Amino acid sequence: NAGVMQNPRHLVRRRGQEARLRCSPMKGHSHVYWYRQLPEEGLKFMVYLQKENIIDESGMPKERFSAEFPKEGPSILRIQQVVRGDSAAYFCASSPRTENTEAFFGQGTRLTVV
Amino acid sequence: AQSVTQLGSHVSVSEGALVLLRCNYSSSVPPYLFWYVQYPNQGLQLLLKYTTGATLVKGINGFEAEFKKSETSFHLTKPSAHMSDAAEYFCAVSEGNAGNMLTFGGGTRLMVKP
Repeated sequence: NAGVMQNPRHLVRRRGQEARLRCSPMKGHSHVYWYRQLPEEGLKFMVYLQKENIIDESGMPKERFSAEFPKEGPSILRIQQVVRGDSAAYFCASSPRTENTEAFFGQGTRLTVV
Repeated sequence: AQSVTQLGSHVSVSEGALVLLRCNYSSSVPPYLFWYVQYPNQGLQLLLKYTTGATLVKGINGFEAEFKKSETSFHLTKPSAHMSDAAEYFCAVSEGNAGNMLTFGGGTRLMVKP
């Protein structure tokens, strides 16, 4: 049973380009969470998704950021028109249900905006 | 709203010495509490968690933590540090009925001296 898979591990984008980060949850997990870790900081919650639904996006910036978790395929975090301040590590976690269970983290995607 | 404070962004101990990493939280409902470890350029690995029941929780790699409601604390300890314990440690809280959306502290980098 493979763990949470994120790709790419490293992504370099020029300012103004789009970044697409992918997350394949563990088998049997239907809940996905995205977090952002800025340099020298802790992780900040961004968005919580179940299949085809956004449950909570209270941590998502209002502009340029979007997330989806389609019926088939990985969850995608999309950042449009990236800026230098978007440079961070983006982590995805998945869990099989909502309560009293462990969320398993992927190894993250490190986005660098140049 | 919930929050987590980790006192000491850097902690240095000698190999074999006691490890104590401090975590205080605030939560409007009974919290679920977690400690995660992050090695360089890796994702997060769960060390231990408290949901309900016994307040002293044992985790992997010899770590344990005690939930003290009166002090709103969940400090992480290990009797004897090993060189391999050098990493970043994150305390996190979730409100159980809100799924696995975690609020993280700022992290504590543990350094172990030979």
